[in-house]
Order: sequence, then C-alpha cells, then structure tokens
Amino acid sequence: DQQVKQNSPSLSVQEGRISILNCDYTNSMFDYFLWYKKYPAEGPTFLISISSIKDKNEDGRFTVFLNKSAKHLSLHIVPSQPGDSAVYFCAGNYGGSQGNLIFGKGTKLSVKP
Amino acid sequence: DAGVIQSPRHEVTEMGQEVTLRCKPISGHNSLFWYRQTMMRGLELLIYFNNNVPIDDSGMPEDRFSAKMPNASFSTLKIQPSEPRDSAVYFCASRLRDTVIRTGELFFGEGSRLTVL
Repeated sequence: DQQVKQNSPSLSVQEGRISILNCDYTNSMFDYFLWYKKYPAEGPTFLISISSIKDKNEDGRFTVFLNKSAKHLSLHIVPSQPGDSAVYFCAGNYGGSQGNLIFGKGTKLSVKP
Repeated sequence: DAGVIQSPRHEVTEMGQEVTLRCKPISGHNSLFWYRQTMMRGLELLIYFNNNVPIDDSGMPEDRFSAKMPNASFSTLKIQPSEPRDSAVYFCASRLRDTVIRTGELFFGEGSRLTVL
C-alpha cells in the first residue's frame, strides 16, 4: 500500500529546458511534502518543501506545486542543468516534527548537455 | 559540523551471519530514522526513534531485524540471521524534533551497502 507514488521511474531532459517530476499521494493526513535529491553512493539531501496549506513554493530554479484536491504535487526545475542529474524522491510527512516521512520510489532525472 | 555518520559503508557477508549497522546522528538531533533502499521498493522506513524511544517499528520486515538506541548519540540496526534478500542500502537519518520548526528536514548519512551472499 503505497502512500506516495512516483509513477515515472526515469525522465530525460535537454539542458536548459524544464524538468517536471510528478508525485501522487493517498494519505490526506500529510501536513507537508518534501523533495530530496540523491546522487549515487551518497545519502539523499533535502531540496525543497511545501506545507499542505500552500499551493506553491519557489527556491531559485526549483518550484514545487501542490494540488490538494488531486492529491498531486510536482517539482519544476528551470532551467535544467547536467548537475541536476540524480534520483529525486518525493516524501510526505505526517505528525509534524514528531512524525515520520514516507518516501516514493524515486524518479531518475538525466539532463543531457 | 559533522553530519550523520554510518558504519560500515560496505558489508559483504554470508547468509546466516549476523550483521550490525551503526549510526551516529547529528549532535542535538533527537529523532533518528532507519530506512532501507532497494530498486523494487525505493526508500522504506524501517523504524524511528524520538528521544531514544522507538515510536514506530511497523516497517521492520521480520523478527530477524532489531534496532536499538541506547543513547542520544548512537543507534544500531541488527539483522540476525541475514538472508540474501536483505541485500540493500541502509540509511540512517536524524532531525531535530521541534514543535516550531516544521519543515521536517531529515539529514541522511551516506548509507551502508549490505550484500548477503
């Protein structure tokens, strides 16, 4: 029973174009959502988050959009750079800072020069 | 400031052997998480602790798995006996349990890659 789903295992994008990574969730109790980025042989690192009461959060080239009615969120990277090539994990948090994070399976992004 | 430290980075063992993975969280963090990453299941939460107390261990796959946190600066994940299907990368993560800061950011270690032959 997957509470967080990333249905695209991989995505390939040309450098300079937009990358859009999608995530769906089923748990209405998630109070915020996070995106993590993972390079090979390293641990995931935090990228950007959004509260469940917001619909957009922007940080430089990265923007996360949340559509609560559709239980869907997306990460936009504009413009994409080769250094963005990594696995991106979407996660839902419930229980505030005392709770835990449930991760999706990840999407591998490849940005081609 | 040191991040989350895991050891060993790589472990190769034979089926039936005991495996112990270790984690030192970031100083001052009072929540600690163990995750397992596989191709099939992605990042699975195994167990997490708040203030050294296990809160949710429903993700621990079997009784062969056990986790302890004897103090705020150390945790272990033990598999006994190990099986080939336990082969995965095991991540430890920590965060500050704070009622004000709500971003929920976890800080991950670099992982322990386990191979059970």
